[in-house]
Amino acid sequence: KAGVTQTPRYLIKTRGQQVTLSCSPISGHRSVSWYQQTPGQGLQFLFEYFSETQRNKGNFPGRFSGRQFSNSRSEMNVSTLELGDSALYLCASSQGQGRNGYTFGSGTRLTVV
Amino acid sequence: DAKTTQPTSMDCAEGRAANLPCNHSTISGNEYVYWYRQIHSQGPQYIIHGLKNNETNEMASLIITEDRKSSTLILPHATLRDTAVYYCIVRVGTGGTSYGKLTFGQGTILTVHP
Repeated sequence: KAGVTQTPRYLIKTRGQQVTLSCSPISGHRSVSWYQQTPGQGLQFLFEYFSETQRNKGNFPGRFSGRQFSNSRSEMNVSTLELGDSALYLCASSQGQGRNGYTFGSGTRLTVV
Repeated sequence: DAKTTQPTSMDCAEGRAANLPCNHSTISGNEYVYWYRQIHSQGPQYIIHGLKNNETNEMASLIITEDRKSSTLILPHATLRDTAVYYCIVRVGTGGTSYGKLTFGQGTILTVHP
């Protein structure tokens, strides 16, 4: 079956702009989580959505937001981009609470210039 | 979630077993041990998890000590494609602040040599 699909694969934006990233989970998976990966901070949890509701949130500023649609697809938005937002953004999906593991997408590489 | 400690890097010869240790001395009774790996420029990949019994799947084996304070991931016949960063993560299986959240440390860089 198809894996977790993230689009776009690469993105270049200018400081101050906003960006929207998309994640399509594995069919049947209702939980979608988002992570930011940078060389300095490693992999950090952003937030998790289940059945269109945010259930958990990491320690990121309000410029980072997300949503989930009724078909479980999820988007995350970053407003007023800063240079430090340059990172690999990863999403992961699971059927429920991830007890049997999460499946990650290949990520979106965001570069802010 | 309990904190884990892993060696920064390890080497292994191709075809030999790779044994990756992880210390999690503050693990709670309801916390599982999970292993993920990340090959360069890809998303992390789930490998295996366990609560207190040893586990085996097509990718690896997980050995958890009786006191649950440490574990070892075993790749029985390492190949060059197993070169990756391996993360040991401890978390509750369900509920509360665990929703969707995996707390990644720095992991172990495993390099498999020809």
